[in-house]
Amino acid sequence: AQSVTQPDIHITVSEGASLELRCNYSYGATPYLFWYVQSPGQGLQLLLKYFSGDTLVQGIKGFEAEFKRSQSSFNLRKPSVHWSDAAEYFCAVGASDNAGNMLTFGGGTRLMVKP
Amino acid sequence: DAGVTQSPTHLIKTRGQQVTLRCSPISGHKSVSWYQQVLGQGPQFIFQYYEKEERGRGNFPDRFSARQFPNYSSELNVNALLLGDSALYLCASSFPTRNTEAFFGQGTRLTVV
Repeated sequence: AQSVTQPDIHITVSEGASLELRCNYSYGATPYLFWYVQSPGQGLQLLLKYFSGDTLVQGIKGFEAEFKRSQSSFNLRKPSVHWSDAAEYFCAVGASDNAGNMLTFGGGTRLMVKP
Repeated sequence: DAGVTQSPTHLIKTRGQQVTLRCSPISGHKSVSWYQQVLGQGPQFIFQYYEKEERGRGNFPDRFSARQFPNYSSELNVNALLLGDSALYLCASSFPTRNTEAFFGQGTRLTVV
């Protein structure tokens, strides 16, 4: 069975500082990996996705993520955080037979940004 | 273009009652999935439907059911509501192929009292 672990429940960073959110997955085959962001009471917005190819993927809002098969990780990074980035971030892995629509999510990391 | 739309946005029900939640996918998307997000947790997969057929089911009791209509919209039904069913219910739509992403609606907030 597939699973996703986000070890950090809460992270606080200062505005302008760099950010890295951790994600570890367990999956038997080549995973399809996603990062979503959720503002309070809202739905999920896709930040970026990895299906194959280049292991460093670029997303929206200046985010990037790196797929490391040897570490079963897909960490999300941003070089300079803005106050508007404060939200909940979810890493997810997709089922291989219909990627993108049967997702297993991690528990999420809540990001707080200090002025 | 309209995104995934869900109705109602908020709902309050009493224990033991039944509820129906509705979802309209993005135009051209034929696959719809439902997720339950309990406060403070990540979303959990409930169902996936494509061409009116169930293609996947998560670890949820039989009180949960769904269906998809010819226009690809979908309904999620929950019977005999429990307090623990209180959650944000998210609908997602996508093309039914590999290498595609799911687009989520804003969700329906269900409160069971």
